[in-house]
Amino acid sequence: ETGVTQSPTHLIKTRGQQVTLRCSSQSGHNTVSWYQQALGQGPQFIFQYYREEENGRGNFPPRFSGLQFPNYSSELNVNALELDDSALYLCASSSRRDRSSYNEQFFGPGTRLTVL
Amino acid sequence: GNSVTQMEGPVTLSEEAFLTINCTYTATGYPSLFWYVQYPGEGLQLLLKATKADDKGSNKGFEATYRKETTSFHLEKGSVQVSDSAVYFCALTISSGNTPLVFGKGTRLSVIA
Repeated sequence: ETGVTQSPTHLIKTRGQQVTLRCSSQSGHNTVSWYQQALGQGPQFIFQYYREEENGRGNFPPRFSGLQFPNYSSELNVNALELDDSALYLCASSSRRDRSSYNEQFFGPGTRLTVL
Repeated sequence: GNSVTQMEGPVTLSEEAFLTINCTYTATGYPSLFWYVQYPGEGLQLLLKATKADDKGSNKGFEATYRKETTSFHLEKGSVQVSDSAVYFCALTISSGNTPLVFGKGTRLSVIA
């Protein structure tokens, strides 16, 4: 069974640029959540996708957007990058019975984004 | 709202010392509680969990008991090893309903030989 994978591992961008981060969910999982972990902080919830639809969003501006594909992999897109977007971006997958149920989330290793 | 407060680190212990990392929470609803561990350069791994009051989660010698009366979920280990050096996060989610994991800020543990 393959775990959650993320790409790329590291990324350096400059202010104003756009970035796309990718996540492959664990086999059999239909839900992907994205978290931002700033240096020295706990992860903060960005949004979640369940069966290709957004299923909850944290306190992040619209320039943070996402997609989930039919194979349940997911992308996180960030437009107009700011210095404060520098962080570790974590993806977590889980298998939900429905939109409101909860099941254990399995985290990927993360993508370290540096904005200069 | 939902929040988690955990003791600030870093915590430095000698090998075989006793570990306690405090965690308290506030929640609207009935939370499930978790401890996650993050080793250097890696993502988060679930260490243990408890889903109802008085439950004790345990794994790899670590334990935490869900205390509803004190809204706490303190992490303990009787004898730490150098390999336990990592950042530990306390987290909660509301079991009924669609709420994401809410994390504390993390506590860095360094164990020296």
